[in-house]
Amino acid sequence: GEDVEQSLFLSVREGDSSVINCTYTDSSSTYLYWYKQEPGAGLQLLTYIFSNMDMKQDQRLTVLLNKKDKHLSLRIADTQTGDSAIYFCAERINAGNMLTFGGGTRLMVKP
Amino acid sequence: DAGVTQSPTHLIKTRGQHVTLRCSPISGHKSVSWYQQVLGQGPQFIFQYYEKEERGRGNFPDRFSARQFPNYSSELNVNALLLGDSALYLCASSPSPYGNQPQHFGDGTRLSIL
Repeated sequence: GEDVEQSLFLSVREGDSSVINCTYTDSSSTYLYWYKQEPGAGLQLLTYIFSNMDMKQDQRLTVLLNKKDKHLSLRIADTQTGDSAIYFCAERINAGNMLTFGGGTRLMVKP
Repeated sequence: DAGVTQSPTHLIKTRGQHVTLRCSPISGHKSVSWYQQVLGQGPQFIFQYYEKEERGRGNFPDRFSARQFPNYSSELNVNALLLGDSALYLCASSPSPYGNQPQHFGDGTRLSIL
């Protein structure tokens, strides 16, 4: 079965880089996504990567995918206080568009 | 352009009651999915609908049901509410379930069961 795991908490200083990690178990994952959730809000799609890629960069965001180890990471460059939120990784397997989410990583950015 | 809209934003019910939650997808999106997010956890998949037909169902009891209308909006119904049904219910839409069609989420309905 699918299982997506993330560390619970990350604290960084404003201006530093943040790296949020995620591991997944389903080797048939086709796409992997990163979503951001601010308090009281829904999920905001940040970026995604196709499973045949190993890196994707989108402005301050860099996604790295290690398929052999089933490890996904999200790097946020020049982290700002507005980046404070919960970050979820999610995998999509071939069977439809259903997403399996990790438990989320709470990112706290200190001024 | 409007994003995914959900109503109501908050709802309080008591055990044993039933509830109907509503979702309007982004214009042009024909696929709608429902997720349950219990406090402190990641969202769990409940249902996916496309072209008014159920395309996927998560591990939820039969008390949960849904439907999609000709205008692609959707309703999630939950009967015989339990305390454990207290959660944020999220709706997501995408153009279709095929290919790379990222799901875009609404702000959810927060359901509290007393």
